[in-house]
Amino acid sequence: GESVGLHLPTLSVQEGDNSIINCAYSNSASDYFIWYKQESGKGPQFIIDIRSNMDKRQGQRVTVLLNKTVKHLSLQIAATQPGDSAVYFCAESPDTGRRALTFGSGTRLQVQP
Amino acid sequence: DTGVSQDPRHKITKRGQNVTFRCDPISEHNRLYWYRQTLGQGPEFLTYFQNEAQLEKSRLLSDRFSAERPKGSFSTLEIQRTEQGDSAMYLCASSFGDRVHGYTFGSGTRLTVV
Repeated sequence: GESVGLHLPTLSVQEGDNSIINCAYSNSASDYFIWYKQESGKGPQFIIDIRSNMDKRQGQRVTVLLNKTVKHLSLQIAATQPGDSAVYFCAESPDTGRRALTFGSGTRLQVQP
Repeated sequence: DTGVSQDPRHKITKRGQNVTFRCDPISEHNRLYWYRQTLGQGPEFLTYFQNEAQLEKSRLLSDRFSAERPKGSFSTLEIQRTEQGDSAMYLCASSFGDRVHGYTFGSGTRLTVV
């Protein structure tokens, strides 16, 4: 069935470096994409979102890139900090009104001091 | 604390027992969602409510799972005759209207079936 998945299960970076987390999706009807951060023992926390009519969106230290041609989504974190260590999930929805989000399996980001 | 609250945080139960979890959404949020998350996986959608109406329940894992939101405020998720495969984190989220952007998750209830 349609699914959202991630290329790398674990990413280790040095503090201060930039991080890139990738995600592939298969549902061509997906219209809305979200990145979540989940720390141990907590629920997912919204980071940034993007609509399918955009290819780039920037937030504070984070950028999401969307390539609809190859159905690829990425999250870039600038100047990665120890507090960024967590599991990151991409999620998709056919539209912003969609009730259910479909999540990928997650990438663990480890920031080395 | 004005976030989504879930109770209990942890539950250990024997196989075959029934369990019930509670979720208190953000007060102005009219939509409430339940997800299940197993270790290393992303959350899996189960069901959602708009006010007291359960608008999607086809994704509930089996007829042993049921959810209610009787007054459009807090919600409960019940699992009857628990099985070891039910061990997981059960997450609740809430939002206002159609805005997925405003989805806020609780910290979840960790269920262990022994």
